[in-house]
Amino acid sequence: GAGVSQSPSNKVTEKGKDVELRCDPISGHTALYWYRQRLGQGLEFLIYFQGNSAPDKSGLPSDRFSAERTGESVSTLTIQRTQQEDSAVYLCASSWGLAGGRSGELFFGEGSRLTVL
Amino acid sequence: QKEVEQDPGPLSVPEGAIVSLNCTYSNSAFQYFMWYRQYSRKGPELLMYTYSSGNKEDGRFTAQVDKSSKYISLFIRDSQPSDSATYLCAMRKAAGNKLTFGGGTRVLVKP
Repeated sequence: GAGVSQSPSNKVTEKGKDVELRCDPISGHTALYWYRQRLGQGLEFLIYFQGNSAPDKSGLPSDRFSAERTGESVSTLTIQRTQQEDSAVYLCASSWGLAGGRSGELFFGEGSRLTVL
Repeated sequence: QKEVEQDPGPLSVPEGAIVSLNCTYSNSAFQYFMWYRQYSRKGPELLMYTYSSGNKEDGRFTAQVDKSSKYISLFIRDSQPSDSATYLCAMRKAAGNKLTFGGGTRVLVKP
């Protein structure tokens, strides 16, 4: 497809389980971002990948969170030993360059809605 | 204190009214400013962006930046029910690699 694709769109899990969220960016986009959006709140930066550079992991809230990206394609966000406070929508975005360039345009997927019971 | 503050609303207006949204920020290093629109259960999409202080107009939308006051605004003229969404401001430092978002303002335009 032409846009950013995320899967699963919805995930319900039990506290303590591991979850893996997937993001397929727009082809050719070198930058990829993960953001978290809690109910009724704004977007919280998690991690950023740019080409072959080391990722910026400064937004990851704990060592239970990790992410990988294969080259300039698919990325997975893994949350280990999930907690109820991890419940949120996890949004992936991609762009051609650094933070969308001058326009700051990031192209977002529809998100993966995670519910931890 | 958050770096970017935005009133969560909801802001309810009648169709045809002007919608006025704003954000304040604390870090003077922010140089690029954007407004994103997010419909329910969708990802945000870029609406407008500005670099310098002043006004920028695009159709029914006007974005204003006042760097001296660390204050940005978005105005929507002749609002339509289809404008009902959450509006998020976002900003970036000159050499920054990520966008910092406000919490979003939910807008409801009633027919």
